[in-house]
Amino acid sequence: QKEVEQNSGPLSVPEGAIASLNCTYSDRVSQSFFWYRQYSGKSPELIMSIYSNGDKEDGRFTAQLNKASQYVSLLIRDSQPSDSATYLCAAWAQKLVFGQGTRLTINP
Amino acid sequence: DAGVTQSPTHLIKTRGQQVTLRCSPISGHKSVSWYQQVLGQGPQFIFQYYEKEERGRGNFPDRFSARQFPNYSSELNVNALLLGDSALYLCASSLQSGPSDTQYFGPGTRLTVL
Repeated sequence: QKEVEQNSGPLSVPEGAIASLNCTYSDRVSQSFFWYRQYSGKSPELIMSIYSNGDKEDGRFTAQLNKASQYVSLLIRDSQPSDSATYLCAAWAQKLVFGQGTRLTINP
Repeated sequence: DAGVTQSPTHLIKTRGQQVTLRCSPISGHKSVSWYQQVLGQGPQFIFQYYEKEERGRGNFPDRFSARQFPNYSSELNVNALLLGDSALYLCASSLQSGPSDTQYFGPGTRLTVL
């Protein structure tokens, strides 16, 4: 099992809807989790980090961590076309380990 | 404040050559990490340095080496380039090198090996 796994997509969501991105992780991963957004041809930019079970909200973004089920998710409310990008889930395993990313397209 | 900077932006090399990539961290950050990202994949960890010492090494061959300087900038060297080394090389900086230290990425260096 890979340390961090994501569905590569593409995930298509209508404008204004909620986009839900999921990530699962293995036992080799510890307590820190991060979501990055990467536009085509650009470098990853941090959306948010989460360390504790439960939800963490920042504007239109909510990260959810469930350690018992070993998954972390990112919800994007009121999706905008500018949210179209690849979303990378990352976790700490004595180094930062990334999933392969989920490509999200918001359709106007 | 300036973010992470990397140079050069693009680089074209031929097989067998050597390349040096450079990175300057965010002011005040003491840790630099290097990643390789091939198209369609997430970044793969190569090295992490903190206070000029290597803190982690990924599953890359010995052709890859790095160092960190007293001003916390860093260089990544790749010898005997192969076609498969073509990728986006990302540098990330963080305050320290622990699990809760958020890493911020530079714009990357696009390396093409012909």
